[in-house]
Amino acid sequence: AQSVTQLDSHVSVSEGTPVLLRCNYSSSYSPSLFWYVQHPNKGLQLLLKYTSAATLVKGINGFEAEFKKSETSFHLTKPSAHMSDAAEYFCVVSFYSSASKIIFGSGTRLSIRP
Amino acid sequence: EAQVTQNPRYLITVTGKKLTVTCSQNMNHEYMSWYRQDPGLGLRQIYYSMNVEATDKGDVPEGYKVSRKEKRNFPLILESPSPNQTSLYFCASSLQENTEAFFGQGTRLTVV
Repeated sequence: AQSVTQLDSHVSVSEGTPVLLRCNYSSSYSPSLFWYVQHPNKGLQLLLKYTSAATLVKGINGFEAEFKKSETSFHLTKPSAHMSDAAEYFCVVSFYSSASKIIFGSGTRLSIRP
Repeated sequence: EAQVTQNPRYLITVTGKKLTVTCSQNMNHEYMSWYRQDPGLGLRQIYYSMNVEATDKGDVPEGYKVSRKEKRNFPLILESPSPNQTSLYFCASSLQENTEAFFGQGTRLTVV
């Protein structure tokens, strides 16, 4: 069965320090993988996506993610956190299958300490 | 401007009173879907549509209906709302199911 797991419900880092948000997936098919960000009281915005090209994907606002097939992971990183990065982050998986389902992780709330 | 428009943004209703949340996109996207967002559960797919007159159930379809008579519109219908349908709802569209999704601003529904 297909699933996606975000390993941390809440991550807190100091401004200027690295960010790591973890995501693992389970799938029998080749997935497309996305990270979306949701700022308070706002809709969702695409940060980056992986669709079977380069395994290291660069997104907006300095974020990047690496697809590791052997570990079934797609962790999101940023070298230096900024106060404006405080938001909820969702790892999303879409599977090439007849089910045509899109599955969201439960989300990771990122807090930034001054 | 490319966008997904949901209406209304906020709605308070009573149990059993039928309601419709509209969703419209202007990007000529094939794929549209509805999600509900609840604390600690992320977004769960309610229904999706791969094209006009082609709809299918997502993970939590009970109590909801949808229709896709035109490519741009994908309304969500609650025939008899119940308090457990109190949630934040998002409509999304994309060229295909494995491409970037564009989300509406959300509809916060409260059923009392």
